Amino acid sequence: DAGVIQSPRHEVTEMGQEVTLRCKPISGHDYLFWYRQTMMRGLELLIYFNNNVPIDDSGMPEDRFSAKMPNASFSTLKIQPSEPRDSAVYFCASSLLGAGSYEQYFGPGTRLTVT
Amino acid sequence: AQSVTQLDSQVPVFEEAPVELRCNYSSSVSVYLFWYVQYPNQGLQLLLKYLSGSTLVKGINGFEAEFNKSQTSFHLRKPSVHISDTAEYFCAVSQNSGGSNYKLTFGKGTLLTVNP
Repeated sequence: DAGVIQSPRHEVTEMGQEVTLRCKPISGHDYLFWYRQTMMRGLELLIYFNNNVPIDDSGMPEDRFSAKMPNASFSTLKIQPSEPRDSAVYFCASSLLGAGSYEQYFGPGTRLTVT
Repeated sequence: AQSVTQLDSQVPVFEEAPVELRCNYSSSVSVYLFWYVQYPNQGLQLLLKYLSGSTLVKGINGFEAEFNKSQTSFHLRKPSVHISDTAEYFCAVSQNSGGSNYKLTFGKGTLLTVNP
């Protein structure tokens, strides 16, 4: 099992540009989560999906952020337009309801720098 | 709403010494509790969890934690640490109710540094 895969691992972009972060969850998992980690705010849940349907997006900071999950094996987090304050490490995680353990498996993260 | 407080942002210890990382939570309903570890430039990995049953839970790498409902705490302990335990440790909570079981709230993290 390859684990949760995220791409790119590092992204440097200029303010105002569109940024798309990608995630492939563990095969068979039915929950997918997007988190943001910063020094100031720690680890924050942005949005999570169950069976490809967004369940709770209350953590999405503003309309510039959007997330989609077109199928069970792929999700994107898009920022448009990007701002320097969006600089952070973005993590994707997945989980399996049927396992009953509530464990979330995290990807390695995407380090985003907006200049 | 729920919240998690990790009382120490940094904990330096010597190798083979015992360590305790403190975590307190607040919630209006019953909770599930977790400890995750993050090694440099990596994602988080589950160390242990409390869902129900025995309040003393054992996890990987020799770590254990005790759920204390009256003190709303879930402190992490290890009797003898190794250099390789150097990492950041996160306490997290989710509500034991309905559809919120998977919504984790994390503490700010405790950086454990093990010195030779």
